[in-house]
Amino acid sequence: DQQVKQNSPSLSVQEGRISILNCDYTNSMFDYFLWYKKYPAEGPTFLISISSIKDKNEDGRFTVFLNKSAKHLSLHIVPSQPGDSAVYFCAASPFNSGGSNYKLTFGKGTLLTVNP
Amino acid sequence: ETGVTQTPRHLVMGMTNKKSLKCEQHLGHNAMYWYKQSAKKPLELMFVYSLEERVENNSVPSRFSPECPNSSHLFLHLHTLQPEDSALYLCASSQDPQANYGYTFGSGTRLTVV
Repeated sequence: DQQVKQNSPSLSVQEGRISILNCDYTNSMFDYFLWYKKYPAEGPTFLISISSIKDKNEDGRFTVFLNKSAKHLSLHIVPSQPGDSAVYFCAASPFNSGGSNYKLTFGKGTLLTVNP
Repeated sequence: ETGVTQTPRHLVMGMTNKKSLKCEQHLGHNAMYWYKQSAKKPLELMFVYSLEERVENNSVPSRFSPECPNSSHLFLHLHTLQPEDSALYLCASSQDPQANYGYTFGSGTRLTVV
């Protein structure tokens, strides 16, 4: 049973437009959410995160929105650039819950292609 | 270069071979992880080491054997693997067992079992 779901395997947008990547989760113990970006032949790199006490976190062109009641988060990239083309992974973790709080659960990823 | 180095980058091995994957970090992190990424599947956590002690083994078959000799090095010893074990193996580290600040990943080892 997948606890973190990224239902869109791929997304294609035009340069300059907004990219919206979605992620749903089922485990109500998740309290901290992260987005990772992965280029081919490289490991994932941390992009942005959000704690459940917030509903929005912004860092430059990247904004993550969290809707706890819907167990849904999204990553907005605006304006999108060709260099943003990569696989984006959503990940979730319990926060300070002890035991396995270090364990990140990942989604399958969404391949974003930004066309010039 | 992210600060986590994995070698080799690519490995092809037969089902009867024994090989090892190596991971090294000099970020001062004290937790290290092995993840497996198969096609069209989420990243799967295999092992977690915190302060050189194995704290999690996610029902990984015994043909995968991790070793953490110190906080900077992590190995994954491979023995009698199956073709379905072909995948990208990613090592990661973090500042402490809590992943709240995110992991730093290596570039991975692309393993092909023939």
